Amino acid sequence: GAVVSQHPSRVICKSGTSVKIECRSLDFQATTMFWYRQFPKQSLMLMATSNEGSKATYEQGVEKDKFLINHASLTLSTLTVTSAHPEDSSFYICSASPEGQGRTYEQYFGPGTRLTVT
Amino acid sequence: QKEVEQNSGPLSVPEGAIASLNCTYSDRGSQSFFWYRQYSGKSPELIMFIYSNGDKEDGRFTAQLNKASQYVSLLIRDSQPSDSATYLCAVKAYGTASKLTFGTGTRLQVTL
Repeated sequence: GAVVSQHPSRVICKSGTSVKIECRSLDFQATTMFWYRQFPKQSLMLMATSNEGSKATYEQGVEKDKFLINHASLTLSTLTVTSAHPEDSSFYICSASPEGQGRTYEQYFGPGTRLTVT
Repeated sequence: QKEVEQNSGPLSVPEGAIASLNCTYSDRGSQSFFWYRQYSGKSPELIMFIYSNGDKEDGRFTAQLNKASQYVSLLIRDSQPSDSATYLCAVKAYGTASKLTFGTGTRLQVTL
């Protein structure tokens, strides 16, 4: 149980285009999902908290108009990188935390999406 | 001051030995504590979590929590080369909804 999928696993796009990344919880519901970014040899950086049915909460320094998050259902959140530039090239990882009574708040991570902007 | 601190390593242990990974946190109201393993180029994988003082064992892994000292550790018994990875400590603070704060990770190398 507790499987999170991400699609695509790898994407290359041209500078100025937009890229959408999907994150799905396959066997549990998640009111809250999280989006992280990780540059090579650096630690995880939380970008935003995605809330089903409401606006995402962005961390300080993350541009909400550039990184659009939509959490349309209890099992799906999407991250759209708009007008991507080479400096946006990174490893984007989503996570989800199962809901329910007695929840312990552990997060399960998707396999990640490696974005390269040329 | 970092909220969750880990020694970046690398921590090198011989195969079969016990690896001890440590983590300290600053928020005394923290509720839940997590250990993740991350292989190079992959996403983090949950190993175990703990929220009560004391030890929690799962196979070769033991998590230890001391809230008075604001300290959580992970012991890996009979270390294997496949355990070589970066180990991330994460903490859920009180009142932060479900957001976790991650340490920067300790790189473990298990040598033959």
